[in-house]
Amino acid sequence: DTEVTQTPKHLVMGMTNKKSLKCEQHMGHRAMYWYKQKAKKPPELMFVYSYEKLSINESVPSRFSPECPNSSLLNLHLHALQPEDSALYLCASSQDLGGVTEAFFGQGTRLTVV
Amino acid sequence: GEDVEQSLFLSVREGDSSVINCTYTDSSSTYLYWYKQEPGAGLQLLTYIFSNMDMKQDQRLTVLLNKKDKHLSLRIADTQTGDSAIYFCAESNAGKSTFGDGTTLTVKP
Repeated sequence: DTEVTQTPKHLVMGMTNKKSLKCEQHMGHRAMYWYKQKAKKPPELMFVYSYEKLSINESVPSRFSPECPNSSLLNLHLHALQPEDSALYLCASSQDLGGVTEAFFGQGTRLTVV
Repeated sequence: GEDVEQSLFLSVREGDSSVINCTYTDSSSTYLYWYKQEPGAGLQLLTYIFSNMDMKQDQRLTVLLNKKDKHLSLRIADTQTGDSAIYFCAESNAGKSTFGDGTTLTVKP
């Protein structure tokens, strides 16, 4: 199983809603990542978890709250988002942070904030 | 900070070779990657090269690295219509990846 599974595939939420994005992998990877990708732009790193601990936070606003409940799961909790937060949110995982960090990406959650 | 640059568009005919170029600024990058992204999909790692290598070949893909000039290229031999996608160059250091803006490759039959 070399898949990273993200749910939901599409999400429309209002600015006052609270929602969560979920990511799951069963490859035994110990590093997991959240990226944000706007249309026609490259992915931008948001968060990196290594061995279930937050390793990198790229100065992401607090309305995005990551959580890594166990080594297979990564969540991104969303609250009070703005329309400009609409984007494709990609989850990725890799064996760890050292060596060849071959990252496997999920298909993404396309988020629209209205 | 780190910067990765690519040309935005490339158009080739089916069967020709495609060459996508990338320049980067971070000399401490350990690995350099090429990803492919098809419309509506996530990123697929195509190949990578360690920073102390000059060349890597993997079936139709050839990666060339000029570390002195911080220049990376991806050559796709016998390009097919299924190769049409956006190709991202990325550099990585300790888990932190920086991506270029992506090159949109269009393959005409």
